[in-house]
Amino acid sequence: EVQLQESGPGLVKPSQSLSLTCSVTGYSITSNYWGWIRKFPGNKMEWMGYISYSGSTSYNPSLKSRISITRDTSKNQFFLQLNSVTTEDTATYYCARRGLSGVMDAWGQGASVTVSS
Amino acid sequence: AIVLNQSPSSIVASQGEKVTITCRASSSISSNYLHWYQQKPGAFPKLVIYSTSYRASGIPSRFSGSGSGTSYSFTISRVEAEDVATYYCQQGSSNPLTFGSGTKLEIK
Repeated sequence: EVQLQESGPGLVKPSQSLSLTCSVTGYSITSNYWGWIRKFPGNKMEWMGYISYSGSTSYNPSLKSRISITRDTSKNQFFLQLNSVTTEDTATYYCARRGLSGVMDAWGQGASVTVSS
Repeated sequence: AIVLNQSPSSIVASQGEKVTITCRASSSISSNYLHWYQQKPGAFPKLVIYSTSYRASGIPSRFSGSGSGTSYSFTISRVEAEDVATYYCQQGSSNPLTFGSGTKLEIK
């Protein structure tokens, strides 16, 4: 059974970078697509981007200049970096496996990140 | 980006009642690419229905979905107390993937 787990700082200062790790067990990240989704206070959900089995990436245009998703296949982990954060980036960040038809069929528990000085 | 207009934003239902949530897309979507998730308080989102009408593994038969083109719906035939959650539709047809605004289900 695939399991995903996010980790990273829960507090980031404005203008700094947010960095999160998603550790995957039970399934190789060299198969399928692996993405990041965030949920803002008030329930809005936003797909941020994904990294594919081959290492190619796709990002939400609303974030394109600030986001980077990378991976370490030897550790079966993938990573999110979001630069120049503001308080509007305060959210719960989820990693997920993206299957065919764009369905997110496995999710991590979520990492709450607050942007505040 | 495809915008998903989900309604209602909240529902208060009695146990045993039938509830229906609608999701209308700003552009036509193949039914293969419309999915529904359940997020219980304090938990991560869980896939309930994929490709419009297929129940994910372990999902009870009281959950169902239908639709085509720009109009989709999600139904719980007889609501149970454990169904308290926020439900989201999501399209995987085109990037950026997008979600509906969510429907919060509460029990009377």
